[in-house]
Amino acid sequence: AQSVTQPDIHITVSEGASLELRCNYSYGATPYLFWYVQSPGQGLQLLLKYFSGDTLVQGIKGFEAEFKRSQSSFNLRKPSVHWSDAAEYFCAVGAQGGGTSYGKLTFGQGTILTVHP
Amino acid sequence: GAVVSQHPSRVICKSGTSVKIECRSLDFQATTMFWYRQFPKQSLMLMATSNEGSKATYEQGVEKDKFLINHASLTLSTLTVTSAHPEDSSFYICSASYGGGTEQFFGPGTRLTVL
Repeated sequence: AQSVTQPDIHITVSEGASLELRCNYSYGATPYLFWYVQSPGQGLQLLLKYFSGDTLVQGIKGFEAEFKRSQSSFNLRKPSVHWSDAAEYFCAVGAQGGGTSYGKLTFGQGTILTVHP
Repeated sequence: GAVVSQHPSRVICKSGTSVKIECRSLDFQATTMFWYRQFPKQSLMLMATSNEGSKATYEQGVEKDKFLINHASLTLSTLTVTSAHPEDSSFYICSASYGGGTEQFFGPGTRLTVL
């Protein structure tokens, strides 16, 4: 079964500082990986995704993430955080191939980002 | 593209009543739709997966007689919470995918409060 761990429940950074949100996954093969952002009371917005190919993926709003197979990680980064980035961030893994898990996403616990002015 | 809507955005109901939540794909045909629930300060938990014209597949621990899912067309899925109780109060989010792909497109969510 696939699983996702986001070790940091809450992260606080100053505006303009760099950001890295950690995500570790467990999956038997190469997974599909996603990062989503959720503002309070809202649905999820896709920031970026990894399916295959270049392990460094660029997303919207200046975010990027790097897939590291050896570390089973897909950490999200942003060089300079803006106050509007304050939200909750979810990493998710999806199953490739067939079977009953195909198409399903498993989410991490989420990381709440607070941005100080 | 790939926009998913949900209606209503929030609903308050009395204990024992039933509530229907609609999930629509506005600009694509959703071959598969997913329903999640999210408790405060928690992650999304998949409740069920539905394919158009087929019965929904429920995750372990989800009561299929309580959470009725209908996916009658390629653009509409409904979740009916029957005989709702206060413990059913939660944020319900749907998502949709097409073409057998893994990427899901999420709706804005529905806040259900059961008094």
